[in-house]
Amino acid sequence: AQSVTQLDSQVPVFEEAPVELRCNYSSSVSVYLFWYVQYPNQGLQLLLKYLSGSTLVKGINGFEAEFNKSQTSFHLRKPSVHISDTAEYFCAVSDQRGGSEKLVFGKGTKLTVNP
Amino acid sequence: DTGVSQDPRHKITKRGQNVTFRCDPISEHNRLYWYRQTLGQGPEFLTYFQNEAQLEKSRLLSDRFSAERPKGSFSTLEIQRTEQGDSAMYLCASRGGPSTEAFFGQGTRLTVV
Repeated sequence: AQSVTQLDSQVPVFEEAPVELRCNYSSSVSVYLFWYVQYPNQGLQLLLKYLSGSTLVKGINGFEAEFNKSQTSFHLRKPSVHISDTAEYFCAVSDQRGGSEKLVFGKGTKLTVNP
Repeated sequence: DTGVSQDPRHKITKRGQNVTFRCDPISEHNRLYWYRQTLGQGPEFLTYFQNEAQLEKSRLLSDRFSAERPKGSFSTLEIQRTEQGDSAMYLCASRGGPSTEAFFGQGTRLTVV
């Protein structure tokens, strides 16, 4: 079984500051990794995903994430945030073998960007 | 195709009533998922269909919950004898394969009073 831990439930930052949202996962098999963003009263939108290959993955809205297999981490970063980045961010994993195709989500990190 | 559609967006019901939600996935996606999300939590997996076959169900899906995808297109999620603890956002997602992006609908917010 897989599990995802998002280490910070809330992250407040000032506009134009860098941000890192941390995600660690636990799995006995190889996994695909995803970051999703959720704006209030909306569904989830994919920011980026890691399937294989380069461990640095670039996504939409200037976000990127780095897969670290030895530390089982997939931290999300942005060098300079905007007010519009205020939202909840979810890290998720799914089994690469396809045996169980569900996405397992962390509890989320609420990013608040202040002016 | 306008993405994943869920209906209704909001539902208020009295405890003990039955409710049914509908999800229309992206048409070429054969995989469909239901999730439940409560305040301050991430989405929790409920069940998964590949075409019309229900391949996995979470232990969260009690006997009061049932989901169908009769023709491998739209899906319904029914909750019988609703309880206050069922109040949550119910999210539907679809995807074309295990490594592809899951597209989410905007959810149905259920309030049981």
